Amino acid sequence: AQKITQTQPGMFVQEKEAVTLDCTYDTSDPSYGLFWYKQPSSGEMIFLIYQGSYDQQNATEGRYSLNFQKARKSANLVISASQLGDSAMYFCAMREHQTGANNLFFGTGTRLTVIP
Amino acid sequence: DGGITQSPKYLFRKEGQNVTLSCEQNLNHDAMYWYRQDPGQGLRLIYYSQIVNDFQKGDIAEGYSVSREKKESFPLTVTSAQKNPTAFYLCASRGQALYNEQFFGPGTRLTVL
Repeated sequence: AQKITQTQPGMFVQEKEAVTLDCTYDTSDPSYGLFWYKQPSSGEMIFLIYQGSYDQQNATEGRYSLNFQKARKSANLVISASQLGDSAMYFCAMREHQTGANNLFFGTGTRLTVIP
Repeated sequence: DGGITQSPKYLFRKEGQNVTLSCEQNLNHDAMYWYRQDPGQGLRLIYYSQIVNDFQKGDIAEGYSVSREKKESFPLTVTSAQKNPTAFYLCASRGQALYNEQFFGPGTRLTVL
């Protein structure tokens, strides 16, 4: 079974609008972390935001917020006030703490296009 | 300034040749990782190393080899045994950042002709 599922291959959003990128995960580990990375066309992966499984509050970092619904095993990324520079691939990833290896499992990504 | 460098950015090789991809970091990170990315897919872990002189296979290690003789360096060799080596390769490292997140290099695009 896939540990991370991103069901939206591509998304479009109007500049200055908000957009939600979906991510669901599958784990039996009670302690885990969820990450979102941005990959512009240059190829480098840029860390955006982190949510720990025991965190009570949803994570926020500037225009990025994470809508964490633990019971539904979802960790959707919300980007507010979209900018043209937000056009990129976005990857959701999970780290399971039980293994101790700190390895990340990645989803297949969502390509976001911001329309002027 | 600190970061991860991968060289070269683009690499072309003939089928049957081994090729080594470079990854260097000056972040003083203990852990380093190699991922492969294919079009329409996420990143898949090839090898990782949590400390110098030690490394473990990831999910798709067949046809690849690594070494970790220095903390700063984690080269990846794509051998002729790798059946479909054309892909984008990303190196990452992890230290004691706030969320223990991985930091990535700019990647190397390998094309086997």
